[in-house]
Amino acid sequence: DAGVIQSPRHEVTEMGQEVTLRCKPISGHDYLFWYRQTMMRGLELLIYFNNNVPIDDSGMPEDRFSAKMPNASFSTLKIQPSEPRDSAVYFCASRYGQGLNNQPQHFGDGTRLSIL
Amino acid sequence: TQLLEQSPQFLSIQEGENLTVYCNSSSVFSSLQWYRQEPGEGPVLLVTVVTGGEVKKLKRLTFQFGDARKDSSLHITAAQPGDTGLYLCAGGRGGTSYGKLTFGQGTILTVHP
Repeated sequence: DAGVIQSPRHEVTEMGQEVTLRCKPISGHDYLFWYRQTMMRGLELLIYFNNNVPIDDSGMPEDRFSAKMPNASFSTLKIQPSEPRDSAVYFCASRYGQGLNNQPQHFGDGTRLSIL
Repeated sequence: TQLLEQSPQFLSIQEGENLTVYCNSSSVFSSLQWYRQEPGEGPVLLVTVVTGGEVKKLKRLTFQFGDARKDSSLHITAAQPGDTGLYLCAGGRGGTSYGKLTFGQGTILTVHP
């Protein structure tokens, strides 16, 4: 079975440029999560969706960050304009949300973003 | 804020030694999950515990959920180099937080041959 697919795997760009990260969740999963991971701050939840609707975006750092989920099989995280402090590994995860609240989250392999 | 504090942050041991990683919070969680992450990959679930006092074993790994469901531990017996990685605990809650997890900062384990 295909897991969560993220693209690109690596992105290097100059500050001020727009960056778009993409995620395809596992088919049938109704929750999608965007995380950012750094050595200093660990794994931080940025935003999550349920049935394509944003539920909690309190982790989004500022207005430069936006996320969309136009359908059940695709989501994007956009940074505009990008800054060097946005450099991190960004993970997308999905899970099946029915039943007990202990279903595992399935993570993609991440996008390593470097803003010069 | 429902924080999960993991300790230690770093652990460097020799093959064959035992170790324990702790995950503590002042908040009650309905479930506690442990993930393992290898370089260049996303975290992968190891186990989920949901009942206070629950103990689960996965080969040489033993997971325990505290009686009050505020803390958890991961014990590895006779560690092997293949156990090297980042271990993350994550707590789940109901209500308005249903669906999301609170992750600890992680423990970086290095097992030397």
